[in-house]
Amino acid sequence: NAGVMQNPRHLVRRRGQEARLRCSPMKGHSHVYWYRQLPEEGLKFMVYLQKENIIDESGMPKERFSAEFPKEGPSILRIQQVVRGDSAAYFCASSLQLAGVHTGELFFGEGSRLTVL
Amino acid sequence: GENVEQHPSTLSVQEGDSAVIKCTYSDSASNYFPWYKQELGKRPQLIIDIRSNVGEKKDQRIAVTLNKTAKHFSLHITETQPEDSAVYFCAASTNSGGSNYKLTFGKGTLLTVNP
Repeated sequence: NAGVMQNPRHLVRRRGQEARLRCSPMKGHSHVYWYRQLPEEGLKFMVYLQKENIIDESGMPKERFSAEFPKEGPSILRIQQVVRGDSAAYFCASSLQLAGVHTGELFFGEGSRLTVL
Repeated sequence: GENVEQHPSTLSVQEGDSAVIKCTYSDSASNYFPWYKQELGKRPQLIIDIRSNVGEKKDQRIAVTLNKTAKHFSLHITETQPEDSAVYFCAASTNSGGSNYKLTFGKGTLLTVNP
């Protein structure tokens, strides 16, 4: 099991460009979470998705940010018209549901570090 | 929403000493409390967790205690080693109907174990 895979690991964008971050959950996991981590800060919840559904996006800015988890392929976090304040590490996590019961543990990827120039 | 406070923000101990990190939470409905360890530039990794139906859990040198009445929980590391040096995050979440484990994290504690 390769674990949660994120790419790119590092991404540099100029202000106004778009950033796309991808996340493949662990095999068999159907729940994906995105968190943002600013330097010397904790992890801030952004969005929770299941396949083809956004379950909770209460932590995601209303503008410029969007997320999806299609039936096929990775989950994608998209940031349009990036600004310097978007510079952060973006972590994806996945979790498992067994017999309809959520196990609770989140498995994190290595993160995507976005730098906006 | 849930708010998690974590103290101290930095902690320095001598190798072999114990380390204690404390967290408080605001939402009395929270029922799952994990602790994550994050080394520099690496992913957060779960080291121990506790659910609201127990008051203490231990795994070798690591233990976690939970006081639901006071809404606080603590991480205890005994016989610390240099490889324990990392940032430790506490978190809390509410499992509503078994479908959502949205974790709210504390701001982290940088633990340094001096040889």
